[in-house]
Amino acid sequence: DGGITQSPKYLFRKEGQNVTLSCEQNLNHDAMYWYRQDPGQGLRLIYYSQIVNDFQKGDIAEGYSVSREKKESFPLTVTSAQKNPTAFYLCASSMRGGSTDTQYFGPGTRLTVL
Amino acid sequence: GDSVTQMEGPVTLSEEAFLTINCTYTATGYPSLFWYVQYPGEGLQLLLKATKADDKGSNKGFEATYRKETTSFHLEKGSVQVSDSAVYFCALSVLTFSGGYNKLIFGAGTRLAVHP
Repeated sequence: DGGITQSPKYLFRKEGQNVTLSCEQNLNHDAMYWYRQDPGQGLRLIYYSQIVNDFQKGDIAEGYSVSREKKESFPLTVTSAQKNPTAFYLCASSMRGGSTDTQYFGPGTRLTVL
Repeated sequence: GDSVTQMEGPVTLSEEAFLTINCTYTATGYPSLFWYVQYPGEGLQLLLKATKADDKGSNKGFEATYRKETTSFHLEKGSVQVSDSAVYFCALSVLTFSGGYNKLIFGAGTRLAVHP
């Protein structure tokens, strides 16, 4: 089955720690995205990547980092510099990243800072 | 800047009632418009989309028409079911300034609760 997988489903972090969220897709999509969702709000873009070894900051990139070494994988690191990291994180991918392309979402990772 | 405004929820309906969730947008150029649905604890699923003015997207009994003159993309369903209970997000797709990449801008979401 083609799709997007995210792991872990739940993640707990102590203050001052970096954590990495995994995102893998087997849809052969070029573009991948990371969004953050807070309660009662829409999604906000953290980072996006249209090709391997290239990525761009989104609207709320501070305190986050990404890499795109393989087409299938786009891990997100939440660093200790992120002041309020508790949120639901969603990864998405699309065919090329064009304006008419549909973005397909993974099941999400819920991060809680203890 | 580009933005999406959705009606506030929660929307509470009885089964078989008619559903409308309003969505209006502000955008430069010609965005594509989307409705996504999110069930509790899950990611977003595409419900329908429209890529140009006057297009109608439809899926699973839901419909929305891209109205450029009113900058709207209202979601409708003639007869809702308990299984339609979820959060619905309206979104538009715009090109970013850097490199011509596409990104989605989301509304805040509207929670729908359908009772038997």
